Amino acid sequence: KQEVTQIPAALSVPEGENLVLNCSFTDSAIYNLQWFRQDPGKGLTSLLLIQSSQREQTSGRLNASLDKSSGRSTLYIAASQPGDSATYLCAARDSNYQLIWGAGTKLIIKP
Amino acid sequence: ETGVTQSPTHLIKTRGQQVTLRCSSQSGHNTVSWYQQALGQGPQFIFQYYREEENGRGNFPPRFSGLQFPNYSSELNVNALELDDSALYLCASNPGGGSSYNEQFFGPGTRLTVL
Repeated sequence: KQEVTQIPAALSVPEGENLVLNCSFTDSAIYNLQWFRQDPGKGLTSLLLIQSSQREQTSGRLNASLDKSSGRSTLYIAASQPGDSATYLCAARDSNYQLIWGAGTKLIIKP
Repeated sequence: ETGVTQSPTHLIKTRGQQVTLRCSSQSGHNTVSWYQQALGQGPQFIFQYYREEENGRGNFPPRFSGLQFPNYSSELNVNALELDDSALYLCASNPGGGSSYNEQFFGPGTRLTVL
């Protein structure tokens, strides 16, 4: 059974810092992995999707990597801004085509 | 292009009642998935519809049921509401074919409170 874990559960950093969020999964048989952002009480915004055959994806200040063999993905945020404050979730699409989710990392960027 | 929309935004029900939540998928998307997100947790997959047929289901009891219509909009119905059903219910669509490779696009969610 696929399990997805995100560590840390919460992170607070000063504005301008580069930071890395971690996502690990137990079963390497995934089709893809997707990173999302969720603002308080709101729905989910897709940030990056990495197919199983890819190693990384980039969008603006965001870079996501995928290492299936080690069961890990990272989301790198460059030059963080207060507007980046949100909860970041990763989800792996498993061999049953279901999205299995981590519980998220709550990120606070201090001005 | 219109994104995924959900209605209502908020809903309060009492234990034992029934509820229907609605979702309109993004234009051109024929696959809709529903998720339940309890406070402080990641979403849990409820089920997925592709061209009006359920083609995947998570670990939810039969009192959670759904429909997809010819225009690909969808409903989630929950019977005999329990207190633990209180959560944010999220709908997502993708361009589909039921493909596992497609990116999911989410609506803003419906916040259900069961008293």
